[in-house]
Amino acid sequence: SQTIHQWPATLVQPVGSPLSLECTVEGTSNPNLYWYRQAAGRGLQLLFYSVGIGQISSEVPQNLSASRPQDRQFILSSKKLLLSDSGFYLCASSPTGGYSYEQYFGPGTRLTVT
Amino acid sequence: SQQGEEDPQALSIQEGENATMNCSYKTSINNLQWYRQNSGRGLVHLILIRSNEREKHSGRLRVTLDTSKKSSSLLITASRAADTASYFCATDAKNSGAGSYQLTFGKGTKLSVIP
Repeated sequence: SQTIHQWPATLVQPVGSPLSLECTVEGTSNPNLYWYRQAAGRGLQLLFYSVGIGQISSEVPQNLSASRPQDRQFILSSKKLLLSDSGFYLCASSPTGGYSYEQYFGPGTRLTVT
Repeated sequence: SQQGEEDPQALSIQEGENATMNCSYKTSINNLQWYRQNSGRGLVHLILIRSNEREKHSGRLRVTLDTSKKSSSLLITASRAADTASYFCATDAKNSGAGSYQLTFGKGTKLSVIP
C-alpha cells in the first residue's frame, strides 16, 4: 500500500510571507496526486491535482500554486500568504488508471496565517 | 459545487448502538466511497461501492447505494468508542473526462460514541 509523507505538520506564518508544503509518496509509481484544503469542521476542497510530472490542474483560482518536480513529489506554494489561506492541507495519492480508485491521504499540515 | 452531502451533521450514540449516516449526491457516478477522519488527522479509506452494486459489507460496516435516489448510507454496527471520528462520503463523476480522477467530498458526519 501507499504511504504519504507531509511536512511540516504545523506551520504558523505571517500574512504576506511565502509558503512551501511538501508531500512525498512511497510504495507506488506514477500516482495521481492531489492537494486538498479543509476548513475547520468542513469537507475537503480540491485545490490541485496532477496525473504526471509537470502536469498540474488547478480547481480553485487563488494565490496558491502547485508543482510536481518528481514522480512522487508534490509541492504546494504561495508567494504571499493571505489570512484566508489558513486551514488544514492534505496531500493524497491514488493509482493511475481510467477508473477512480481509493485515495491515500497524508497526515496533513495545519497552517495558521497570522 | 458540492456533490455529496452527509446527514446528519453530527451524531452522538452510546457504545454498542448502531450508527447510520446518509449521503446524497447530485450527478451520475461510477463509484461512491466512504472515508473516516480522526480529529486532526488525514482521511482513511473505508469502503468503495460501485454504481452497479447495491450493498457491500466490510467487518462492522455496511454500505448501501440507491442510484435511483442518488443516496448512500453507512451503517456501523455495535459501535465502539474508537469509532468516534468524522465520516465522509466521496463521489466521482461519471463521464467527467479529464476530471475523472477527481473525488468530491461531502462536509461529513461527526460521530461521537460515548463509552
